[in-house]
Amino acid sequence: GAGVSQSPRYKVTKRGQDVALRCDPISGHVSLYWYRQALGQGPEFLTYFNYEAQQDKSGLPNDRFSAERPEGSISTLTIQRTEQRDSAMYRCASSLGTSGSSDTQYFGPGTRLTVL
Amino acid sequence: AQKITQTQPGMFVQEKEAVTLDCTYDTSDPSYGLFWYKQPSSGEMIFLIYQGSYDQQNATEGRYSLNFQKARKSANLVISASQLGDSAMYFCAVGRGNEKLTFGTGTRLTIIP
Repeated sequence: GAGVSQSPRYKVTKRGQDVALRCDPISGHVSLYWYRQALGQGPEFLTYFNYEAQQDKSGLPNDRFSAERPEGSISTLTIQRTEQRDSAMYRCASSLGTSGSSDTQYFGPGTRLTVL
Repeated sequence: AQKITQTQPGMFVQEKEAVTLDCTYDTSDPSYGLFWYKQPSSGEMIFLIYQGSYDQQNATEGRYSLNFQKARKSANLVISASQLGDSAMYFCAVGRGNEKLTFGTGTRLTIIP
């Protein structure tokens, strides 16, 4: 497809379970970003990659959250031992990565995570 | 640190009228961008317009324009000739496009026929 894709679109899990959220960026996009969006709020930055290198993980809330992009394309955001407060929309975005501050981030449809 | 303030939680506008959505920002970066995104009820995030901190001209994209006042740290979005399809949440964001963006809490725009 032409846009950013994410899977699954919806994930319901029980507290304490691990979840893995997948993002497939736009073909040729070097940079990939993860955000979390609570209901009624704007997206909140979690982490981002250039190619396979994680450049900034300052937004990850705690060590239960991790992300990887081993081959510089698809990325996985993993949440271990999920808690109810982790329930949110998790959004992935990608950008060319070559335009500096004018780079445009294009968002995927998001994964709605619900922790029971 | 970066911060975005969107002071209008909700706005109602008559169809075909122009509307201005307010956004003020704070950043310590000397070079940065301002971005506006639209989020319809379907939930996707759609990029609308970008303004660079060193751009002399205000950005325009079709019916969207950005009223950028650097000294006041404001980057208001203007939508001309509003349409029913413009009803959505609108988010302003600041940052370097190839790094983290900081978003505001959004403005919910409703266009009245």
